[in-house]
Amino acid sequence: GAVVSQHPSRVICKSGTSVKIECRSLDFQATTMFWYRQFPKQSLMLMATSNEGSKATYEQGVEKDKFLINHASLTLSTLTVTSAHPEDSSFYICSARHRDRGWFSYEQYFGPGTRLTVT
Amino acid sequence: AQSVSQHNHHVILSEAASLELGCNYSYGGTVNLFWYVQYPGQHLQLLLKYFSGDPLVKGIKGFEAEFIKSKFSFNLRKPSVQWSDTAEYFCAVNAVDNAGNMLTFGGGTRLMVKP
Repeated sequence: GAVVSQHPSRVICKSGTSVKIECRSLDFQATTMFWYRQFPKQSLMLMATSNEGSKATYEQGVEKDKFLINHASLTLSTLTVTSAHPEDSSFYICSARHRDRGWFSYEQYFGPGTRLTVT
Repeated sequence: AQSVSQHNHHVILSEAASLELGCNYSYGGTVNLFWYVQYPGQHLQLLLKYFSGDPLVKGIKGFEAEFIKSKFSFNLRKPSVQWSDTAEYFCAVNAVDNAGNMLTFGGGTRLMVKP
């Protein structure tokens, strides 16, 4: 149990276009989902935390108007990279916290990631 | 804010060698600690976690980690590595009083096990 999927796994887009990445918890409900960005040979950097039905909380330095996050249901969160530029090229990973394992569970389940390339 | 450092960026071992990967964090309060593994081409998976109790935690695949509060450390160990342990390992910390449930990751350690 506790599987998280992401779609698409890879996407190439032209500069100036927008790209939407989906994150789904397949066999559990997730009250909280997290979006990370991973640069080559570097660690994961938290971009934002989203709670179902409320606005996302963005980390310092992350532009909320550029990285739009929608957590419309307990199993789906989306990240939209608006007006993408080559510097947005990266590996984007989502994770989800299991609703039924309590607030103090802290355990996160990770999706496989989405590699975005902006040309 | 908490931070996590992993001292070894790359480790190369032969099969059957013992492994210890260092992880230190900076945060004065109560923490939850995690080790995640990312096999080539796969997503992050939880190896083990520490919330409270026995500071020696046993995880999957023969891994264990010891929480030493006085040293702010949570080193990962395995007595005898296998080729299949080749992966990147991430230490992560969550501050218990962080209502946002945020995980802070270390920089990762890339382990290569030679057959």
